[in-house]
Amino acid sequence: DTGVSQDPRHKITKRGQNVTFRCDPISEHNRLYWYRQTLGQGPEFLTYFQNEAQLEKSRLLSDRFSAERPKGSFSTLEIQRTEQGDSAMYLCASSLVGTGVGQYFGPGTRLTVT
Amino acid sequence: SQQGEEDPQALSIQEGENATMNCSYKTSINNLQWYRQNSGRGLVHLILIRSNEREKHSGRLRVTLDTSKKSSSLLITASRAADTASYFCATDARGAQKLVFGQGTRLTINP
Repeated sequence: DTGVSQDPRHKITKRGQNVTFRCDPISEHNRLYWYRQTLGQGPEFLTYFQNEAQLEKSRLLSDRFSAERPKGSFSTLEIQRTEQGDSAMYLCASSLVGTGVGQYFGPGTRLTVT
Repeated sequence: SQQGEEDPQALSIQEGENATMNCSYKTSINNLQWYRQNSGRGLVHLILIRSNEREKHSGRLRVTLDTSKKSSSLLITASRAADTASYFCATDARGAQKLVFGQGTRLTINP
């Protein structure tokens, strides 16, 4: 257990529905990252926050995706009008700036779009 | 797009043997990290090596980094069945905050 938690762990939804995932980082960490991982591949970066500011977004993050980190604590990732291609593991990670000790990942949320 | 490539893509060895995995990357980096992922689970941080370091040890793990060749290796000594997992290297390029992962090495330890 790294201290990063994600909820839910599994989500099955029908195409066209909206879904929202939550990530709670390690409490003292000021950076929070979202990645997506498809079967047999390494994780791919989606976006990251420093405190409450969203500082970078990948081109993978289409306009159907939105992420927030109100008050610089937990974060949510919402996918609107889900498509079958959104089926993947969504991973959250957190880190503390300046420590150089790396990013710590949560257990992930596995999304299946039917 | 993936920056790194792990080699081999799959490795199967007997318990007690050593396992070596290699990673190559493309750009200058701040540091390189190795992660383990059990099937269907999240990533577990194993070790971080900075760009000015050449070798690092942690328990049965030994990591080397050659920035001139843009490559790293992870050695797991005296492997155990519980080491069966996928192993990923991840780099953060200078000036960037995100990690860029390779496709991973699937390691199987046979009892």
